[in-house]
Amino acid sequence: NAGVTQTPKFQVLKTGQSMTLQCAQDMNHNSMYWYRQDPGMGLRLIYYSASEGTTDKGEVPNGYNVSRLNKREFSLRLESAAPSQTSVYFCASSDPGFQASYEQYFGPGTRLTVT
Amino acid sequence: QKEVEQNSGPLSVPEGAIASLNCTYSDRGSQSFFWYRQYSGKSPELIMFIYSNGDKEDGRFTAQLNKASQYVSLLIRDSQPSDSATYLCAVNLAGGTSYGKLTFGQGTILTVHP
Repeated sequence: NAGVTQTPKFQVLKTGQSMTLQCAQDMNHNSMYWYRQDPGMGLRLIYYSASEGTTDKGEVPNGYNVSRLNKREFSLRLESAAPSQTSVYFCASSDPGFQASYEQYFGPGTRLTVT
Repeated sequence: QKEVEQNSGPLSVPEGAIASLNCTYSDRGSQSFFWYRQYSGKSPELIMFIYSNGDKEDGRFTAQLNKASQYVSLLIRDSQPSDSATYLCAVNLAGGTSYGKLTFGQGTILTVHP
């Protein structure tokens, strides 16, 4: 049981390049989330997917797109990377069937630098 | 005003002391409250959740919730150097009840010195 996995762990991009961050979970969770974390800013929600086939914008969606490929996988795409997207990206999943299950399980993160 | 706000750090306490971490939230209808710990370079991990007014204890950790004051805190008793980390408060805001969306505070850095 690997939990939430993310690839790659590190990435350096040049301004204007594109890339996709991959996330997968093996806990049979319905909901998945993408966050970015910048110093002093906590975690900010980029996009989330309540269930397979649905996605919604979070607090900071500009410059990103997502795909919920199936129940296990949720990818985040940067179409034209900008230095402002330099950050640590976390994927998380949860199964909010009842209050206590709002706990979110996090992947190890992707450290992205855009030069 | 931010939706979820934590006391500014960093917080430094001596080993064996009580560390007190505070969090306020804006939405009176919020239902569930979480404390995550994040070690440097690692991902957040849940240490406590609470959804009823009052105290909830788990080992050296106590979460306190006061919905009337829109305030949640985390007390760490007998603090250890291994408790040194960033602590994130997260709230399931009333408007985000669906799908388990959480709103996070900015985090408080705790350092426990020997």
